Amino acid sequence: GAGVSQSPRYKVAKRGQDVALRCDPISGHVSLFWYQQALGQGPEFLTYFQNEAQLDKSGLPSDRFFAERPEGSVSTLKIQRTQQEDSAVYLCASSQGGLAGEHFGPGTRLTVL
Amino acid sequence: AQKVTQAQTEISVVEKEDVTLDCVYETRDTTYYLFWYKQPPSGELVFLIRRNSFDEQNEISGRYSWNFQKSTSSFNFTITASQVVDSAVYFCALSGYAGNNRKLIWGLGTSLAVNP
Repeated sequence: GAGVSQSPRYKVAKRGQDVALRCDPISGHVSLFWYQQALGQGPEFLTYFQNEAQLDKSGLPSDRFFAERPEGSVSTLKIQRTQQEDSAVYLCASSQGGLAGEHFGPGTRLTVL
Repeated sequence: AQKVTQAQTEISVVEKEDVTLDCVYETRDTTYYLFWYKQPPSGELVFLIRRNSFDEQNEISGRYSWNFQKSTSSFNFTITASQVVDSAVYFCALSGYAGNNRKLIWGLGTSLAVNP
């Protein structure tokens, strides 16, 4: 595709629900990153994939957060038993050779009520 | 530990003024990358520049210029003759150079308002 796409763009969940956020990276991009951006804050790193391998998940805030990229392209970020503090914009970025930077998706705005 | 500090939370200027956004970083790595992004009200992050720590040359792109000074661990961003469309939050970020150390460490951002 022309850019990184994310779906849904907006998600409202009741506290305790599970949610799944999808990222479609640019075709052929090896690296994929997830970030969380709370309102009025800078993004915070969550996890990083190189192809299907999850090389760094140090930023996942709890074991309720899980990410996968089984075929090395599309990635899903799953949040189980959502809490109000999970409300944020979840950003996905991809890159061709591993360098972070140029290609961010529009984000998914998650609101947990 | 890696850290990025953007001391200016908000800046307000009048159109056509020049404005400089400050960025100071901390890292123990000898090689690293520095970035600037723009986040307009629409929310999408727009990549502006990536700078390799080996390259201390300043860069100019139209009305935008960047001043990288390793001696002071700073990577400042200047907008010349600002325009209303420049109004956005600007983020400075840092990443490692190799292997799995490529996650971005972000500053808190500087909100720039350019008034007509």
